Amino acid sequence: DQQVKQNSPSLSVQEGRISILNCDYTNSMFDYFLWYKKYPAEGPTFLISISSIKDKNEDGRFTVFLNKSAKHLSLHIVPSQPGDSAVYFCAARGSQGNLIFGKGTKLSVKP
Amino acid sequence: DAGVIQSPRHEVTEMGQEVTLRCKPISGHDYLFWYRQTMMRGLELLIYFNNNVPIDDSGMPEDRFSAKMPNASFSTLKIQPSEPRDSAVYFCASSFGIYNEKLFFGSGTQLSVL
Repeated sequence: DQQVKQNSPSLSVQEGRISILNCDYTNSMFDYFLWYKKYPAEGPTFLISISSIKDKNEDGRFTVFLNKSAKHLSLHIVPSQPGDSAVYFCAARGSQGNLIFGKGTKLSVKP
Repeated sequence: DAGVIQSPRHEVTEMGQEVTLRCKPISGHDYLFWYRQTMMRGLELLIYFNNNVPIDDSGMPEDRFSAKMPNASFSTLKIQPSEPRDSAVYFCASSFGIYNEKLFFGSGTQLSVL
């Protein structure tokens, strides 16, 4: 069973608008969460992370929000740009330190 | 540094054949991970090594899959015999320490088993 769930396989937004990508997890013991971005024919690259002791982390246009009670996190991209078009993977750090990834959400930002 | 290097980029083979995927991690990194990406399951961890020693292979789907890391600069993932359901993108990744968000991925090997 998937411990990290990204229920939206795809998302399309207009350039300049906000993109919101969602992620749910099942294990309340997870204490660190990450987002990775993947372009076609490339490997995923680290984007932003958040510790469970925080509820928000911001890096430029990217902000991750964590709602521990709901076991939910989201990635906000404001404003969205065509270069943000990629697959975004949510990940949680497992008890051994290894990363557990979701299925990914494909974001398309249209000019 | 050249990053994590994987070969081949693409592999097309017939069912029943042996497939070997190769990975060269970033120099100095002590952890190496093999992931598989499919539409159904996303990015799945297959196995990871610390200082060339396999730590957790619970993600390896079947005995047909095996992985080795004979030295700090080389790892292989072997599938024997291969089956059509093994078709996926296989990623190798490395990091310095496991509690390190900077997990560096290779470009992946697109495997197609006909």
